[in-house]
Amino acid sequence: SQKIEQNSEALNIQEGKTATLTCNYTNYSPAYLQWYRQDPGRGPVFLLLIRENEKEKRKERLKVTFDTTLKQSLFHITASQPADSATYLCALVGDYKLSFGAGTTVTVRA
Amino acid sequence: GAVVSQHPSWVICKSGTSVKIECRSLDFQATTMFWYRQFPKQSLMLMATSNEGSKATYEQGVEKDKFLINHASLTLSTLTVTSAHPEDSSFYICSAAPARAHLNTEAFFGQGTRLTVV
Repeated sequence: SQKIEQNSEALNIQEGKTATLTCNYTNYSPAYLQWYRQDPGRGPVFLLLIRENEKEKRKERLKVTFDTTLKQSLFHITASQPADSATYLCALVGDYKLSFGAGTTVTVRA
Repeated sequence: GAVVSQHPSWVICKSGTSVKIECRSLDFQATTMFWYRQFPKQSLMLMATSNEGSKATYEQGVEKDKFLINHASLTLSTLTVTSAHPEDSSFYICSAAPARAHLNTEAFFGQGTRLTVV
């Protein structure tokens, strides 16, 4: 069966450090992978999309890598700030629908 | 980015009653809308896909007679939870797309509706 696993449920880091989140998938052959941010009691907000032929994508302090051989994506938040505290979800398209991992909740301490 | 508005943001209802949740695309025509449910600390689970002017497609295990979806216009889809029970209490989120476009680019989500059935 298809699975999307995000490595940890929660990640606590000090302000200014880099947060690294992992997304592993099985039984998907995605042409691309997406990352979303979800704040408590809110819907997800799109952050980044990376295609299978792209190794790395950046947007401001965010960096995403995509390794289709390892079936893994890494999501980095550099120079983290308390405002980055949220749950981050990875998402893949399979069978014409978007499927999500359970998310990793990041808490950045000032 | 495109704006998707969901209403209400929260609702409390008595067991056995029905609740309607609206999802509107404010600045584009949404031929396809998706309804998700999210339990605490869990992933978003797709419940159904609705296409304007046709019947919704429900995911396995989702009762179509309990979760009624109507997508009568290109800017509005509604989800009605009929005869709600406490186990239906959850966070319901809609997503809208101009076509299948969102499967190739980003998806636009509503702000979600917290349903509590007492």
